[in-house]
Amino acid sequence: DGGITQSPKYLFRKEGQNVTLSCEQNLNHDAMYWYRQDPGQGLRLIYYSQIVNDFQKGDIAEGYSVSREKKESFPLTVTSAQKNPTAFYLCASSMVRDEQFFGPGTRLTVL
Amino acid sequence: QKEVEQDPGPLSVPEGAIVSLNCTYSNSAFQYFMWYRQYSRKGPELLMYTYSSGNKEDGRFTAQVDKSSKYISLFIRDSQPSDSATYLCAMYSSASKIIFGSGTRLSIRP
Repeated sequence: DGGITQSPKYLFRKEGQNVTLSCEQNLNHDAMYWYRQDPGQGLRLIYYSQIVNDFQKGDIAEGYSVSREKKESFPLTVTSAQKNPTAFYLCASSMVRDEQFFGPGTRLTVL
Repeated sequence: QKEVEQDPGPLSVPEGAIVSLNCTYSNSAFQYFMWYRQYSRKGPELLMYTYSSGNKEDGRFTAQVDKSSKYISLFIRDSQPSDSATYLCAMYSSASKIIFGSGTRLSIRP
């Protein structure tokens, strides 16, 4: 059953804490992406990776970090430097320069 | 000016109506156009994918691209309450990353 999984579905973070969001895909896609979605603002690109061990900053990378050690996995860490992290986070994957397929999302809330 | 403009709505129509959702864009290099449907608190799902100008039909959905006007549309025929969602347009060229519209919230009244 091919697809993209994200975990956890809901995540709560205390002030000053780093948290890591998981994203896994078994679609054999080369590219993976992280987006942030806030109400009424559409999708904003945080980071993307087109190949293992390589990734690029998107439009709002400050306060976030990623790794791409395996083709199937692209975890996102929200660091304490991200001052307003409460949002809905979406992971996507695609063949390079092709339509993207999305995971179910993780809702992060700062306590 | 944003590269892709999409009316945020909300748009409310009665069940059975024809719905028209639209996006305009400024980059004439865009060649690939997509529509995604997103239910509340879920990830977007790809509905339609078209290349260049013209129409593409899939069941009750029709995607239309007018490159000369830099305008794309998604038509939904015989709309159902289950079509209530946010619809996102997206587009890209061979040299660019995907750009998403901000989404239109649609509500179908039973």
